[in-house]
Amino acid sequence: KNEVEQSPQNLTAQEGEFITINCSYSVGISALHWLQQHPGGGIVSLFMLSSGKKKHGRLIATINIQEKHSSLHITASHPRDSAVYICAVGGTSYGKLTFGQGTILTVHP
Amino acid sequence: DTAVSQTPKYLVTQMGNDKSIKCEQNLGHDTMYWYKQDSKKFLKIMFSYNNKELIINETVPNRFSPKSPDKAHLNLHINSLELGDSAVYFCASSQDRGHYGVEQYFGPGTRLTVT
Repeated sequence: KNEVEQSPQNLTAQEGEFITINCSYSVGISALHWLQQHPGGGIVSLFMLSSGKKKHGRLIATINIQEKHSSLHITASHPRDSAVYICAVGGTSYGKLTFGQGTILTVHP
Repeated sequence: DTAVSQTPKYLVTQMGNDKSIKCEQNLGHDTMYWYKQDSKKFLKIMFSYNNKELIINETVPNRFSPKSPDKAHLNLHINSLELGDSAVYFCASSQDRGHYGVEQYFGPGTRLTVT
């Protein structure tokens, strides 16, 4: 079992739908990261959080430290949101990240 | 200006060859990383350098050798390439903030294909 588990692995949605991607982890962390990998391959950091909730535009990330669980929400999804979303947890060793397997999101117009 | 750059973007080579991938960051960060992404898109840390010092060295074959000439550069040299080395290699950097978690900035990736 991976230390970081994401669900679902694949997600298809219609434009405008509310989307949730989940991440559970089994190790102690200093922070949890949500990353986006575009179809062209580049990786962008969306959020880094260690408690509570963060919002950026249509994206919201939450974390529950006690339950070792995080969610990434996308409101009013759009085809340009189609990408792989990756959850990663950072420990205390100079930012070493352990990654989930990624969620492939496809949003149809 | 590109924050984290890698060269080359694509690398096709034959088994047994030796190749290098270069990474440079202009963010003034003091920590740099190499990650490998396999065919299933799973990312895994390979190495990390902080101020030119190796601090993370995961279970990686000895054929892989990172080199950091200064804190803005981290190169990856691979000897005797094997088919299983085919993957996308990402470089990243961060400003070390100790145990509070650090945001990492990724390069565009280098797609290595070994034939």
